[in-house]
Amino acid sequence: QQQVKQSPQSLIVQKGGISIINCAYENTAFDYFPWYQQFPGKGPALLIAIRPDVSEKKEGRFTISFNKSAKQFSLHIMDSQPGDSATYFCAADYTGTASKLTFGTGTRLQVTL
Amino acid sequence: DAGITQSPRHKVTETGTPVTLRCHQTENHRYMYWYRQDPGHGLRLIHYSYGVKDTDKGEVSDGYSVSRSKTEDFLLTLESATSSQTSVYFCATALGVDITNEKLFFGSGTQLSVL
Repeated sequence: QQQVKQSPQSLIVQKGGISIINCAYENTAFDYFPWYQQFPGKGPALLIAIRPDVSEKKEGRFTISFNKSAKQFSLHIMDSQPGDSATYFCAADYTGTASKLTFGTGTRLQVTL
Repeated sequence: DAGITQSPRHKVTETGTPVTLRCHQTENHRYMYWYRQDPGHGLRLIHYSYGVKDTDKGEVSDGYSVSRSKTEDFLLTLESATSSQTSVYFCATALGVDITNEKLFFGSGTQLSVL
């Protein structure tokens, strides 16, 4: 049972372009939506996170857009760089779970020169 | 990697043998987790711990057991390894001040192959 659905599975973007990764969730109790970035051979690391009281959060070139009514959220990477090439995971959590995240299936992003 | 060490980093074993993976943290974090990562499935929670000797099951706990006798160590045991348990295993920790929504810190993973 996939509670967080992520797309696309892989993405190729040219340097300077915008990378967009989408996630949809089913459980309306979810109230915390982080994105994790993983480089080859490393563990995931928190990139940015949002709570449903706001529709957008921006940190540098990374923006999360959140649509509560549609139960969807997305990660936008502006001015994508080769160093952004990594696997990105969306996740969801809700209060009282001891931070037990439910992860999406991941998106492998390749930024070409 | 926030002071998280996983050992071994790579292991090849045979079906039916017991295997123990170790996670050691130096951050004094209260919460510890074991996830497995598989293509097409992302990261799935196996077991987690919210304190010494306090553990609970995650989404894919069948065939796995855990123990936490000290704050800094969290062991994952495959009692009788099967080929379906071939995966990359990640340990993670969280500070544990808040009950939820905390940042997870991940180790570098253990690649386990069961032949």
